[in-house]
This record gives sequence, C-alpha cells and structure tokens, in this order.
Amino acid sequence: AQKVTQAQTEISVVEKEDVTLDCVYETRDTTYYLFWYKQPPSGELVFLIRRNSFDEQNEISGRYSWNFQKSTSSFNFTITASQVVDSAVYFCALLEDSNYQLIWGAGTKLIIKP
Amino acid sequence: GAVVSQHPSWVICKSGTSVKIECRSLDFQATTMFWYRQFPKQSLMLMATSNEGSKATYEQGVEKDKFLINHASLTLSTLTVTSAHPEDSSFYICSALGLAHNNEQFFGPGTRLTVL
Repeated sequence: AQKVTQAQTEISVVEKEDVTLDCVYETRDTTYYLFWYKQPPSGELVFLIRRNSFDEQNEISGRYSWNFQKSTSSFNFTITASQVVDSAVYFCALLEDSNYQLIWGAGTKLIIKP
Repeated sequence: GAVVSQHPSWVICKSGTSVKIECRSLDFQATTMFWYRQFPKQSLMLMATSNEGSKATYEQGVEKDKFLINHASLTLSTLTVTSAHPEDSSFYICSALGLAHNNEQFFGPGTRLTVL
C-alpha cells in the first residue's frame, strides 16, 4: 500500500544551522511524483517542489535542496543556513500515476530559534 | 497562473446552522476538485473528490449528508457543512486539479470554521 512517513514530528534548531527533514515513501507504482509543501501558521499551503520518479537528480533552489534516492525510497529536504521565517510545518506527499489522490505524510514542525 | 481561492477565509457560526464554503479556480478550468480537512497539529485528510457535473466521491467515514458538495461549473465547487456542531470546527482546504498543468493540484488558502 502507498504510504508516506515523516518520522520527525518536530525539529528545533538555532538560526543559521542547517536542517534536514526526512521523508520515506512506499509505492508499487513505477511512475509517481513526490512533493514538498510548506504550511506556515497562516495555514496556506506553499508548494516547494515536485519531483517525478524518473528524475533522481538532486535539486537546489537557493537555501533549499532536495535529495531523492529511489534505492532507499527517500526524498529528503535540507534547508541551509536556516532563518526564523523558515519556521512552519513541512509536508511530504506522494502521487502515484495510477491514482489522482495525494498521499500525505504526517508533517514535520520546524522551529527556528533566533 | 493556477490560482485557487476560497471564501470565506474564516467563519464562526452557531451550532445547528449550515455553512457554505466556496472554492474557485481563478485562471484555469478544473474538472476535479478535492476537499480536505485538517485538525490542529495533524496532516490533511481527504474528505471527498468533486467532479464537475457529477456526484462527489466521499472517503470512508465522511458523511455525505453532512458535508454536501456541489461542483456545478469548471471553476467552482462548494462544500456545505449542514447542521454544524462544535466537532465540525476545523480547517478546510480545497484543491483544484489543473489538467493543463500536468495534473498538478493547486491549493486554496483554506477556511477556518469555528462552530460555537
């Protein structure tokens, strides 16, 4: 069965530290998509990245980077030089090509202390 | 492009009243929209899938008579919480499937419902 696991319920770091949020997924599909969303206290989901299963290249966008490893079914998210504004809940999600429903992880609450 | 709006952004109502939440895709047509519910400190829970011109498909455990969904046009879906009770208080989020956007879901900003 498809599943997304974000084992870290909450992470707290001091500003400027690097932090990695883990995401492990399960699927039987060979074609699928992985997402990361940010949910600040306002509640509005902010799309961060979409990655398809055939593209294992790591991606970097400013202070954000993503490490996709099919061998370990992981799609981890790293924030470099964290800032207080990065404080939010981060969700990892899976979309299988055979299904239109997003499978959500439980979310990781990230707290960046000044 | 690909903006989804929700109205209202927050609502407070008395127990027993009905509340309607609108979800609109502003700059694209969406044949499919999704309604999620999110309790505090929890993940999003899919309530139902709304397809334009047909009945919504509800997830297991979601009362269809309690949460009425109408998707009458390609840009508008509504969720009506009927006879609301305090346990219905939650954050409701809609998303719209953009066929012209590689089947990506675009999320509305959410509606916070508080039932007194």
